[in-house]
Amino acid sequence: NAGVMQNPRHLVRRRGQEARLRCSPVKGHSHVYWYRQLPEEGLKFMVYLQKENIIDESGMPKERFSAEFPKEGPSILRIQQVVRGDSAAYFCASSPLGGAVVNTEAFFGQGTRLTVV
Amino acid sequence: GENVGLHLPTLSVQEGDNSIINCAYSNSASDYFIWYKQESGKGPQFIIDIRSNMDKRQGQRVTVLLNKTVKHLSLQIAATQPGDSAVYFCAENDDGNKLVFGAGTILRVKS
Repeated sequence: NAGVMQNPRHLVRRRGQEARLRCSPVKGHSHVYWYRQLPEEGLKFMVYLQKENIIDESGMPKERFSAEFPKEGPSILRIQQVVRGDSAAYFCASSPLGGAVVNTEAFFGQGTRLTVV
Repeated sequence: GENVGLHLPTLSVQEGDNSIINCAYSNSASDYFIWYKQESGKGPQFIIDIRSNMDKRQGQRVTVLLNKTVKHLSLQIAATQPGDSAVYFCAENDDGNKLVFGAGTILRVKS
């Protein structure tokens, strides 16, 4: 039973380029959460999506960041015109239930480490 | 790496000793708490959780204590092993859509 799969594991982008981070949830999970982790800090919530719907994007920066979870395929976190401050680890979690990943069936992926040079 | 630890508090324990990691939370409305373990280069791994109607919960070698009066959470690890070395995060939820993570504590186990 595969867990949450994120790719790529490492991504290097030059300032001004676009970064696309992919998250495939656990099979059967329809709720996806994205978190960002800066070095030496805890994870910070960005966005919560269900299939084809954004439920809560209160943690997403207003500009350059967008997320989607289409009916088919992985969830995508997209960062346009990346800047050095976007360098971080981005984690995705999935759950079969809604809310704040409030049960032990919610799993985090291994993350994508974005480096902006 | 992401757990360089220049600013995170560090707990160093001898192998076989018990470890206690503390966490203060800020939102008195939070009703659900989780402890996560994060090894270098990996995602957070669920350890144990507790709801606000409890003050203690035990798992395998781990115990979580919740003191709502002072908004304090602790994780106790019995007979700490080298494989327990990691960064430990507490997280709280106020019945909303997100978890709020603490800053983390580095646990180093000396053999």
